[in-house]
Amino acid sequence: DTGVSQDPRHKITKRGQNVTFRCDPISEHNRLYWYRQTLGQGPEFLTYFQNEAQLEKSRLLSDRFSAERPKGSFSTLEIQRTEQGDSAMYLCASSLAPGTGGYEQYFGPGTRLTVT
Amino acid sequence: GQNIDQPTEMTATEGAIVQINCTYQTSGFNGLFWYQQHAGEAPTFLSYNVLDGLEEKGRFSSFLSRSKGYSYLLLKELQMKDSASYLCAVRATGGRSGYSTLTFGKGTMLLVSP
Repeated sequence: DTGVSQDPRHKITKRGQNVTFRCDPISEHNRLYWYRQTLGQGPEFLTYFQNEAQLEKSRLLSDRFSAERPKGSFSTLEIQRTEQGDSAMYLCASSLAPGTGGYEQYFGPGTRLTVT
Repeated sequence: GQNIDQPTEMTATEGAIVQINCTYQTSGFNGLFWYQQHAGEAPTFLSYNVLDGLEEKGRFSSFLSRSKGYSYLLLKELQMKDSASYLCAVRATGGRSGYSTLTFGKGTMLLVSP
């Protein structure tokens, strides 16, 4: 399978705990995106990388959220001191950079986080 | 900021044609996308418009009018498997870094009945 993969698929944690999610993009894609989606809403942009550089971060993203893409391949999203409001589906997507032949983003299956 | 509006729900019957509208307000417009999302699954890419006009791809077509801030997705010969949420997304340049980001609407839930 050469699509976007995410791990874990489901995570249940207690309020106040830290969680980390991983995303492996399509191998030739240099852009990687993180989104959050709650029931009945569209995906909400969190942040994105081009190679290892974090180019944009949503103003809605609190300081408890941090993302890395250290070698320009896989990425991790960490949420510290989780709150019940963090319960959502966390989606990762990847694409080629515009101008290099691609434009659409390909999404992974998501990590569903439940904070109890 | 950006504002994207699409109907919450639509219903149609198998074999029919349905049009899902999307209106948007944004600065730095740089393309409009339609994605399909089945319940519990990731969004999958359907179409992309950056210039005015109609793009056709099999049973699916997408139209864009940049001057009106308007797009629609047209689905023909509806099948039961087309029951899903359809997400309109606008790409615009102008974040803090000046790079383009994608903003999604809330999605239109389409229910296809026999």
